[in-house]
Amino acid sequence: GQNIDQPTEMTATEGAIVQINCTYQTSGFNGLFWYQQHAGEAPTFLSYNVLDGLEEKGRFSSFLSRSKGYSYLLLKELQMKDSASYLCAVYDSNYQLIWGAGTKLIIKP
Amino acid sequence: GAVVSQHPSWVICKSGTSVKIECRSLDFQATTMFWYRQFPKQSLMLMATSNEGSKATYEQGVEKDKFLINHASLTLSTLTVTSAHPEDSSFYICSASNPGGVQETQYFGPGTRLLVL
Repeated sequence: GQNIDQPTEMTATEGAIVQINCTYQTSGFNGLFWYQQHAGEAPTFLSYNVLDGLEEKGRFSSFLSRSKGYSYLLLKELQMKDSASYLCAVYDSNYQLIWGAGTKLIIKP
Repeated sequence: GAVVSQHPSWVICKSGTSVKIECRSLDFQATTMFWYRQFPKQSLMLMATSNEGSKATYEQGVEKDKFLINHASLTLSTLTVTSAHPEDSSFYICSASNPGGVQETQYFGPGTRLLVL
């Protein structure tokens, strides 16, 4: 079966750095996405990785290793507004998007 | 770019009535739109994939006669919850793929909260 694993919940301190991991086992791979979802709102697109390596976008960076079936989202200089769920999703060989259950990130002052 | 809207944002209805939710891509043409449902504190659940001009593809366990999907144009898809019951109360979210953007990225509408009394 197809599976995406990410931690259920993480806690970090304002101003710090946090890394949210995602591992996947899918039938084929056509890209990995990270989305942010604030409570009660729809997800918003953060990043897309299809090649190995690190993609940096401001305070957020996303890393991919296809050989390991692994990605992480790195958030720097954490702000209270970063408290949200972070969803990892992978396109399989048929471009079906497989969603992880999301990681709830709690930021403490 | 890649803005998706949904209407209404909130709907409260009586059991047995039908509710229509609209999803529009405002600044791009979306050949494919997706409908999701999300219960409180749970992950997104794909209900169906909607392709312009053809029948929607429903996920296993989703009743196509209860959740009617119409994708009549490249910018509009509608989801109709027929004969709604309290267990249909949920957060319904649509998304659309922007062919001209980042590889098949799905951009989400703001969601519609449905409460069936």
